[in-house]
Amino acid sequence: AQSVAQPEDQVNVAEGNPLTVKCTYSVSGNPYLFWYVQYPNRGLQFLLKYITGDNLVKGSYGFEAEFNKSQTSFHLKKPSALVSDSALYFCAVRDLSRGGYQKVTFGIGTKLQVIP
Amino acid sequence: DGGITQSPKYLFRKEGQNVTLSCEQNLNHDAMYWYRQDPGQGLRLIYYSQIVNDFQKGDIAEGYSVSREKKESFPLTVTSAQKNPTAFYLCGSSMATGSVELFFGEGARLTVL
Repeated sequence: AQSVAQPEDQVNVAEGNPLTVKCTYSVSGNPYLFWYVQYPNRGLQFLLKYITGDNLVKGSYGFEAEFNKSQTSFHLKKPSALVSDSALYFCAVRDLSRGGYQKVTFGIGTKLQVIP
Repeated sequence: DGGITQSPKYLFRKEGQNVTLSCEQNLNHDAMYWYRQDPGQGLRLIYYSQIVNDFQKGDIAEGYSVSREKKESFPLTVTSAQKNPTAFYLCGSSMATGSVELFFGEGARLTVL
C-alpha cells in the first residue's frame, strides 16, 4: 500500500529565511508526487508535481521541490519565505506503475507559520 | 473561468437528516472525487467516479451516497447512517483517474446540530 509521511505538524520560519517542508513516501512502483497548499476554510491549490525527469521541480509562488529516489523524499522548499506563505501544506503520492485506477494518497498536512 | 463549484459552503444538519452537497465542474474533466478532511487526518477518499453513470467507493464510503448522471456534476449525500458527519468536504476533478493532478473546489463545511 502506498503512503505519505509529513513528519512535522508545524514548521515555523522567519520571513525572508529559506523554508523546507518535509515529505517522504512509499509506493511499490514509480511515484507521481504532488504538493498542495490550503488556506483556512478553502480548497486545496495545486503547487507542483513530479512525474519523471529533473529531480528539482519548480512550481507556483516561487516554491520548488526536490525528488530524492534513494531517500524516498519530496521536500518542498522556498528560498525566501513570505508571511503570506503561512498555510497548510499537503504532500500527495500516486503509484503510476500499476494499471487501472490508482488513488491519490495525501499526507496529514504541515502547518507553515512565517513569522514577520 | 473554468473551475469547480461547491455549494453551499456551510451546511447545518440535524441528527437523523440527510443532506446533499453539490459539486459542479466546467473543466470538462472525466473523473470526479469526494474527500473528507478532519483535523490531523489529512484527506480521506469517500467516493470517486471515472465516467458518467459509474462510481466507486473510496476508503470511507459508509454513510455516504453519490450519483453521476452528468459529466459536470457529482453530488454527495451524507445520510443519517453517517455517525460522525461533521467535517470539511472537498470535491475534486481530474482529466482522467490515472495520470494527472487533482483540482479542488473551495470545500463545504458540514456541522451537525
